Amino acid sequence: GNSVTQMEGPVTLSEEAFLTINCTYTATGYPSLFWYVQYPGEGLQLLLKATKADDKGSNKGFEATYRKETTSFHLEKGSVQVSDSAVYFCALSEGQAGTALIFGKGTTLSVSS
Amino acid sequence: GAVVSQHPSRVICKSGTSVKIECRSLDFQATTMFWYRQFPKQSLMLMATSNEGSKATYEQGVEKDKFLINHASLTLSTLTVTSAHPEDSSFYICSAGGTNTEAFFGQGTRLTVV
Repeated sequence: GNSVTQMEGPVTLSEEAFLTINCTYTATGYPSLFWYVQYPGEGLQLLLKATKADDKGSNKGFEATYRKETTSFHLEKGSVQVSDSAVYFCALSEGQAGTALIFGKGTTLSVSS
Repeated sequence: GAVVSQHPSRVICKSGTSVKIECRSLDFQATTMFWYRQFPKQSLMLMATSNEGSKATYEQGVEKDKFLINHASLTLSTLTVTSAHPEDSSFYICSAGGTNTEAFFGQGTRLTVV
């Protein structure tokens, strides 16, 4: 079946460091891929998305490229801030509109000043 | 973007009692809503798909008699945890609407059963 695998956390970085959170997926078709972020005490928010191979999603300095050949969707940011501290979830959706998402386990990022 | 409101955000209940969690789509109609459960340091796992006007579809391993889902209108789905036990303590979150490009999530409900 479909699945998403994320790197284990927590990830602890200093402010302005480079961030990479790895995500790989298994899917039978051509899924849409997402990164969601969950700030402390809040619900999930869509961070970025890509709906087809080679698409690059980007938002708030974060980027991820849909790599079909490596079935990956790694999240990157060139210079993290303390306010980026949160839990990040990689997810996929396959099928009809409004299909439920399949999530990775989440990666906790902690950024210190 | 679209707004999904979930209530309550936190609830503590005694073992053996029932708890109802509401999920509302505030500015759109949702024929389908999804309920997820998140264990500590684990992923969000889909529990069930809530369909307006019909029975919910439960994922394998989820007890339908324990987790009652009602989707009586196009803007409201409820999840009732019946006869709650400490092992039901978890973070429950709903999502609604969207397409294969985005889903909208509620704020989540932290349930603690004591």
